[in-house]
Amino acid sequence: QKEVEQNSGPLSVPEGAIASLNCTYSDRGSQSFFWYRQYSGKSPELIMFIYSNGDKEDGRFTAQLNKASQYVSLLIRDSQPSDSATYLCAADNNAGNMLTFGGGTRLMVKP
Amino acid sequence: DTGVSQNPRHKITKRGQNVTFRCDPISEHNRLYWYRQTLGQGPEFLTYFQNEAQLEKSRLLSDRFSAERPKGSFSTLEIQRTEQGDSAMYLCASSLGGMKTQYFGPGTRLLVL
Repeated sequence: QKEVEQNSGPLSVPEGAIASLNCTYSDRGSQSFFWYRQYSGKSPELIMFIYSNGDKEDGRFTAQLNKASQYVSLLIRDSQPSDSATYLCAADNNAGNMLTFGGGTRLMVKP
Repeated sequence: DTGVSQNPRHKITKRGQNVTFRCDPISEHNRLYWYRQTLGQGPEFLTYFQNEAQLEKSRLLSDRFSAERPKGSFSTLEIQRTEQGDSAMYLCASSLGGMKTQYFGPGTRLLVL
């Protein structure tokens, strides 16, 4: 069973702090990794994707990938209360035709 | 709105009834996916279409489930003889061939009584 693992949280950070969300995956054939944000009762919304080792920055968000350690992370700088949501990590399969999701990490940003 | 659309948004049915959901992908996207999400879990892959061809099916997709994409545009997901365990959010996503990024619709929330 190919898996993506995330700490379910909740992860609580004060407003303005950096939130660090982590994810590990088991399928070494996975090439691309995605972070989605999901508000309660809503569908997943894409934040960003990464497929090369290293860091990728987009605004307040930075995704990090380490294929040797099979580890993906998402950093959110200057966290805002509106960032409070569940963050889903997903990995594609070798054929790139499906995503395997982790269970999500619930983030709470306190004013 | 040019995003993925799904109908209905909510469905309440009695055990044993059949239900059908519709997904309209982003217009130029040739790939379409169905996922199921239960409370507190991440989405689980059900099936994948490239144009009208169903190329991948999860073992989660029992024989009570069938999906079609007859003209390579919209797709339907039918659940026959619904069970209480089918209660979940059914999510549709689409992507453009060659691009792996999937964009999700708002989902259909199913409650089986």
